[in-house]
Amino acid sequence: ETGVTQTPRHLVMGMTNKKSLKCEQHLGHNAMYWYKQSAKKPLELMFVYNFKEQTENNSVPSRFSPECPNSSHLFLHLHTLQPEDSALYLCASSQDVGGPGANVLTFGAGSRLTVL
Amino acid sequence: GEDVEQSLFLSVREGDSSVINCTYTDSSSTYLYWYKQEPGAGLQLLTYIFSNMDMKQDQRLTVLLNKKDKHLSLRIADTQTGDSAIYFCAEKDVKWGGFKTIFGAGTRLFVKA
Repeated sequence: ETGVTQTPRHLVMGMTNKKSLKCEQHLGHNAMYWYKQSAKKPLELMFVYNFKEQTENNSVPSRFSPECPNSSHLFLHLHTLQPEDSALYLCASSQDVGGPGANVLTFGAGSRLTVL
Repeated sequence: GEDVEQSLFLSVREGDSSVINCTYTDSSSTYLYWYKQEPGAGLQLLTYIFSNMDMKQDQRLTVLLNKKDKHLSLRIADTQTGDSAIYFCAEKDVKWGGFKTIFGAGTRLFVKA
């Protein structure tokens, strides 16, 4: 167990569905992230939250809506997705954002999303 | 730009050394990282190097950093079948008053018995 838990591990949805991905960490970290992993492409940073405040929105389409109710939980709400949104969505956490340190990320196992 | 580039595939024989290469574009990067992703799992930090270092060794792993050429490499000595995984190069981007970790596409290492 990595300390970052993502559910569900697999999700299949139609383009008109609404679903959510959940991420939970009990590492005492203050920063949480969503990354998108597609085959043969660089890992794509989507959103960053630091102390529950969104500090980065990397030009992500509005059909992806993040929510961070507290420092331990992060959601990604999905609505009217496209087939090209099919990917592995990875959640990560770190002690905080910024600062001079190495800021190591701890990742969850990911949620494999398939949009039909 | 914020590019981190690495080759997509590498195949080696068990017992040989593996060398995975990476180039990056941001000269202000302070930390550079290697993460490993095993099948069905998320990324896990293998090692990182601070930008004022040229080399870092940790058991079978050796990281070399050439800041002038913006080139980072990971050498795995005596590669084992359990080393088969995807290896991601990443840099800490400190622009715009904030921080984010920029990753490459990953190098898939195949180890042949």
